[in-house]
Amino acid sequence: QGHLVQSGAEVKKPGASVKVSCKASGYTFTAYYMHWVRQAPGQGLEWMGWINPNVGGTNTEQKFQGRFTMTRDTSISTAYMELTSLRSDDTAVYFCANFNWNYGAFDIWGQGTLVTVSS
Amino acid sequence: EIVLTQSPGTLSLSPGERATLSCRANQSVSSSYLAWYQQKPGQAPRLLIYGASSRATGIPDRFSGSGSGTDFTLTISRLEPEDFAVYYCQQYDTSPRGLTFGGGTRVEIK
Repeated sequence: QGHLVQSGAEVKKPGASVKVSCKASGYTFTAYYMHWVRQAPGQGLEWMGWINPNVGGTNTEQKFQGRFTMTRDTSISTAYMELTSLRSDDTAVYFCANFNWNYGAFDIWGQGTLVTVSS
Repeated sequence: EIVLTQSPGTLSLSPGERATLSCRANQSVSSSYLAWYQQKPGQAPRLLIYGASSRATGIPDRFSGSGSGTDFTLTISRLEPEDFAVYYCQQYDTSPRGLTFGGGTRVEIK
């Protein structure tokens, strides 16, 4: 059974950048697209984009284009997301999630990383 | 962009009652890529239903999904105490390979 473990909570000032990691285990990291989803306090789920860990190709939701980057290191089965020019409304829990093509859905989720943007 | 609208926003029911949750799309969605998730406070979402009607591994049979095109439904036949949570629908669009979630339905104890 696959497992995703994310890096710990972060506190950042407005204008700064944050990088969150997501380490996969228990399945073939390069076989499934990794997505990033965020959830502001008390709000719903918001999709941000995906990375194909096999070749590194990405697709980013238009809202985040220009300040959201996804990368991966296949040698350690880890995906990363970086969000720049942080604003207070970027305060949220950020999840990585494995998209299983057999289901057309996310069957494995990370535990979430709280990013707080505050001056 | 495909927009998913979930209703009602909140459903107040008692244990043992039936819950019917709706997810409506502004354009046709492939049933193969329509899923439902359950989320409890402080936890990541959990996959319940994929392909509009197939239960994920370990999901009790009181959960069922149905629908096609633009209208989808999640039904919980008899609510158990652990079912009180927020439920989200999600679709994946193969072109342009984007994805959206509905706004969620909170199922609360009446």
